[in-house]
Amino acid sequence: QVQLLESGPGLVKPSETLSLTCTVSGGSISSYYWSWIRQPPGKGLEWIGYIFDNGTTNYIHSLKSRVTISVDMSKNQVSLKLTSVTAADTAVYYCARGRYGDYVAWVDYWGQGTLVTVSS
Amino acid sequence: EIVLTQSPATLSVSPGERATLSCRASQFTSINLAWYQHKPGQAPRLLIYGASTRATGIPARFSGSRSGTEFTLTISSLQSEDFAVYYCQQYNDWPFTFGPGTKVDVK
Repeated sequence: QVQLLESGPGLVKPSETLSLTCTVSGGSISSYYWSWIRQPPGKGLEWIGYIFDNGTTNYIHSLKSRVTISVDMSKNQVSLKLTSVTAADTAVYYCARGRYGDYVAWVDYWGQGTLVTVSS
Repeated sequence: EIVLTQSPATLSVSPGERATLSCRASQFTSINLAWYQHKPGQAPRLLIYGASTRATGIPARFSGSRSGTEFTLTISSLQSEDFAVYYCQQYNDWPFTFGPGTKVDVK
């Protein structure tokens, strides 16, 4: 059974960098794309970006200057870094695995998410 | 950006009844739409992809359909474990987007 487990600090100070790791068990990083998705309290789901197993990335325009998603195949981990955070970055952050072939397709597994609060 | 609108926001249903959830896309999207079930504190669960294909292990009471830009998730006979929030999501165009969700609760 594939499992995704997000980990990282639950509290980050404004202007600092948010760093999260998603550890994948029960399956390989290869042959899938990996996403980070977030949900601010009381708001909708927002797709931050994704990375293919070959390292190619795609980010949403509004976060492009601040976000980096990377993969570590040796550790079966996917990471998220978001710099210069503000209170608006407070959210539950989800890691998700997606299928791709001729096109980037649906997400089939999600982690249960981790709440990150930005506050001094 | 494709905007997805879900209705109703809340659907109150008795166990055993049928639930019909709607998701409308702001522009044409072929069939690249998925439905997810989300319960508090749990990982969201893929139910349907390609608008109408059930994911592995999903009970047959869940079905998806499409008519133009309108997508429908139907739960034929609601079970106690089906009370949750349901999201539609398009993966046709980047950025991928979600609807705001429909909460299915007990009537």
